Amino acid sequence: EAQVTQNPRYLITVTGKKLTVTCSQNMNHEYMSWYRQDPGLGLRQIYYSMNVEVTDKGDVPEGYKVSRKEKRNFPLILESPSPNQTSLYFCASSATGLSNQPQHFGDGTRLSIL
Amino acid sequence: ILNVEQSPQSLHVQEGDSTNFTCSFPSSNFYALHWYRWETAKSPEALFVMTLNGDEKKKGRISATLNTKEGYSYLYIKGSQPEDSATYLCAFPSPHNAGNMLTFGGGTRLMVKP
Repeated sequence: EAQVTQNPRYLITVTGKKLTVTCSQNMNHEYMSWYRQDPGLGLRQIYYSMNVEVTDKGDVPEGYKVSRKEKRNFPLILESPSPNQTSLYFCASSATGLSNQPQHFGDGTRLSIL
Repeated sequence: ILNVEQSPQSLHVQEGDSTNFTCSFPSSNFYALHWYRWETAKSPEALFVMTLNGDEKKKGRISATLNTKEGYSYLYIKGSQPEDSATYLCAFPSPHNAGNMLTFGGGTRLMVKP
């Protein structure tokens, strides 16, 4: 089954404790991205990757890192999480980085930073 | 940051009613317009990607139209059913890069009463 898989689905942690949210897709997609969803602010893009070893900042990259060492994986790293990073996070992928490609979303990761 | 607006924010209809809502976006530098359906506790799911002025797309009882010159798209649902209850999102690819970086509208939350 074609899918985007995120882990963990839920995490409660404390300020400053490094964490990684993994994202993996099995569709051989070139393009992957991370979004965060906050009430009243909608879905906002954090980082995206056009292909292996190519990443770039989205609208709200502060406090996040990403890497794209393999085509299928695009982990989101919070080196020193803070409470303002409490949010619902989605990973998404599309076949290419062209704007006419629909994006396929993972099931989301709900992070709470205390 | 792009201005992508959706109206209304929420809509309550009776089962069997037909309904429509609007997405407005910048009319300059148009690449594509995406529509997604997002059910509670699930991930957003692509409905349509529209690229041409005057485009009309249909999927079952849901259809969408596009006017790139005036910067709006309508989503129509014919004969609404309770399972249509969801948030409907439109998204506009950012013109300042070649990637599929989407700016999302705030969504229209549709609730269909049996």
